[in-house]
Amino acid sequence: GQNIDQPTEMTATEGAIVQINCTYQTSGFNGLFWYQQHAGEAPTFLSYNVLDGLEEKGRFSSFLSRSKGYSYLLLKELQMKDSASYLCAVREEDTSGTYKYIFGTGTRLKVLA
Amino acid sequence: DTEVTQTPKHLVMGMTNKKSLKCEQHMGHRAMYWYKQKAKKPPELMFVYSYEKLSINESVPSRFSPECPNSSLLNLHLHALQPEDSALYLCASSPPSGRAAKNIQYFGAGTRLSVL
Repeated sequence: GQNIDQPTEMTATEGAIVQINCTYQTSGFNGLFWYQQHAGEAPTFLSYNVLDGLEEKGRFSSFLSRSKGYSYLLLKELQMKDSASYLCAVREEDTSGTYKYIFGTGTRLKVLA
Repeated sequence: DTEVTQTPKHLVMGMTNKKSLKCEQHMGHRAMYWYKQKAKKPPELMFVYSYEKLSINESVPSRFSPECPNSSLLNLHLHALQPEDSALYLCASSPPSGRAAKNIQYFGAGTRLSVL
């Protein structure tokens, strides 16, 4: 079956670094995405990995190991506005060539002053 | 312009009502998605349209009926819903597979639905 797991909640201090892990077991793989979602709002795209390694984008970086079914999102220099849910999503391509995104359980991050 | 527009933002309906949710994008995306999201849960895929054809239906009950009238519009028709169908309904779009290296999926702000 499909399984994408993340820690449910994390707490960190303003200015610190936090790493949010995601492990996945899916029938197909065509990329891994990280989204940020503030309460009551739409998910917004943060980062994308399709090959193994680290992708850096400002304060956010994402890492992927396909052989281990593992990714993490690293947030540096945490700010209060980073308090949100972080969603890991695996993209699969089905037999019709349609992309399908399967979301992980989500991690609620609380940043404290 | 990376905007996906959903209307209405909020909807309250009775179990015997018929209503529709609307979604619009003008990014030239040819894949459009409906998701359902309950509080403190991740989005769950309901339907995918690819080139205006229904490509994926994740065993969604027939009281939810999707429609894609053209490449920019996606509707979700609702009829005889149950209170447990109350949730945030998110629309998303992306370029079709094979186009654009990153092929990012963009989300609308959602319609918050309450079924009484």
